[in-house]
Amino acid sequence: QKEVEQNSGPLSVPEGAIASLNCTYSDRVSQSFFWYRQYSGKSPELIMSIYSNGDKEDGRFTAQLNKASQYVSLLIRDSQPSDSATYLCAVSTGNQFYFGTGTSLTVIP
Amino acid sequence: EAGVVQSPRYKIIEKKQPVAFWCNPISGHNTLYWYRQNLGQGPELLIRYENEEAVDDSQLPKDRFSAERLKGVDSTLKIQPAELGDSAVYLCASSLAGDYGYTFGSGTRLTVV
Repeated sequence: QKEVEQNSGPLSVPEGAIASLNCTYSDRVSQSFFWYRQYSGKSPELIMSIYSNGDKEDGRFTAQLNKASQYVSLLIRDSQPSDSATYLCAVSTGNQFYFGTGTSLTVIP
Repeated sequence: EAGVVQSPRYKIIEKKQPVAFWCNPISGHNTLYWYRQNLGQGPELLIRYENEEAVDDSQLPKDRFSAERLKGVDSTLKIQPAELGDSAVYLCASSLAGDYGYTFGSGTRLTVV
């Protein structure tokens, strides 16, 4: 079992819709959770971090964390074509940092 | 503020040749990471430095890979000799002490032919 699991997609949503990206992790001692966006041919860019249960909102992005279910998600509201990218979930235990394989998102104009 | 700077951006070498990558982290970031990313995969950690000390190199193939971070700032990752399977993007990242997420450099795309 991988430490971080993501649905590889591809996920396609129409412009203006909500895109929902999901991630599960295996290590219960995980403390910190991150979402990175990676455009094709570019390096990952940190877009959200979340450390406690619940929701964290930043503009059109909302990260949701449920430690009991070992589940973290990213919601993108009013999706734009510029949101088309691969989204990487990352989890830190404090000593180890694990990336998922990423979910490819395409926003259709 | 300059981000994480990596060079070169691209490198094509023949198998069995040596290659080196260079990274300059964000000023003040004492933690530096080298990752390797294959197409369609997430980044995989090769080595992590806290200042000049390598605190996690468990995933570094030590028979052919080496890294150094002299003076706790710049870092160099070397492969000698390179194999076809080493073709990938090599990413350097840095962060503040603690758990604040990374800032990645632009990466070096290595092609071994």
